[in-house]
Formats: sequence, C-alpha cells, structure tokens
Amino acid sequence: GAVVSQHPSWVICKSGTSVKIECRSLDFQATTMFWYRQFPKQSLMLMATSNEGSKATYEQGVEKDKFLINHASLTLSTLTVTSAHPEDSSFYICSARDFDPRGTPDRPYEQYFGPGTRLTVT
Amino acid sequence: GENVEQHPSTLSVQEGDSAVIKCTYSDSASNYFPWYKQELGKGPQLIIDIRSNVGEKKDQRIAVTLNKTAKHFSLHITETQPEDSAVYFCAARRGRSSASKIIFGSGTRLSIRP
Repeated sequence: GAVVSQHPSWVICKSGTSVKIECRSLDFQATTMFWYRQFPKQSLMLMATSNEGSKATYEQGVEKDKFLINHASLTLSTLTVTSAHPEDSSFYICSARDFDPRGTPDRPYEQYFGPGTRLTVT
Repeated sequence: GENVEQHPSTLSVQEGDSAVIKCTYSDSASNYFPWYKQELGKGPQLIIDIRSNVGEKKDQRIAVTLNKTAKHFSLHITETQPEDSAVYFCAARRGRSSASKIIFGSGTRLSIRP
C-alpha cells in the first residue's frame, strides 16, 4: 500500500519556540492531507484539512494562527506549532488521501496515515 | 456533525477466544466505516473497512458487520493471538470527495491473555 512518512518522529522543544512537522506521501500524490492530534489514551481528533495550493480548513476550536499548515506540493504538507506550550504536547498524526482516477464512484479515494510525531514541550 | 461512539473502552480476552467491539454513528449519510489498529507509539493502520451498501465483510480472522437501520457496526476478531493486542478505533466518513473527513470513535484497548 501507499506510504506516508512524518518527520521528525519525535521532538522536544522549549516553551515559546516553534516546531515544524513534515508529512510526505512517498509514492503517490495527495491532493488532500489531514492533521490529527492524539492525547495519551485518547482518540484521534481532526485538527485541519489541507488541500494543495490553498488554505487549510480548521476544525472548530483549533487556532489557525497557532497551528500553521502549508500544503506546498502534492506530496508535502507541514504543520508548524507556533509559540508552543506544554499543553501542546501531543502525538500529531497526518493522513493523506490518494485520488485514484481508476477508482469506482463508490471508492474514488483511499486514505493513509503517517506514523505520527511525538511533540514534547518543556 | 458526525459522532461515533465505541465500546467497550477496554477488553481482555483469552488467547484463542473471540473479541467483539461495537460502534454507533449519528450521521445517517455516513457511507464508509473503516477500522484501525494502533500499536503503541505508531500511527493507525487500516485493518478492514465496510461501505454502506454492504452488510458484512470478512478478511481471514477479522470481520465487520454493518446495520444501517440501527446505525451501528461491529468488529469481530476470532482466534485471537497475542499480536492482536493493541488499541482499535472504529471510524465513519460521509461523502466521497477528497475532503470528506474520517471521524474516529474513542478507541478500545484490547489485551490478549496468554
């Protein structure tokens, strides 16, 4: 199946600094990428949806000025956590949607998840 | 918006026995129901999915059933093995566009007792 990678796999940063997380689709082009956040022993919560070349759509309650998303190409999306604070410590997971032009009307897309990035803010 | 409820939150079964996880969804327009397995420190991995025009799907030891009328779907794992221990998430998605969102349930921590 298709592969989605994330870099870094883990990062520790000091409070007040910014950190960037990369999400790449390795063997397919992703017109849409999704960013999720997962706190310990909790579910994945969708933060935002990004489309290549356009602004991201954020879920209610997610600060777009704090979580900057850039979907610069069909294979790369980045999430920048600005002015990070300890409460931003979490597991961030990206997901990429693969459009299959040969797909059926009932199944035009498949979605793949990255391995996640563990962010710890001290 | 869509709300997906999942239970139980934890499940412990004897190796070789079956495990069942149940989910309900709120949006009757949801048409795609994937199940994911997440191991510690890793991203979720799709293990099986079912679409709204199908009532049941099986893949070796894993099966999923869907009751559209009642808006609930279930995951069945038979002949459980130690490597089945993980957190399982059900999910639901509405629509077929590239921006259709997958909404996750709260997760079930499955432990297989040797």
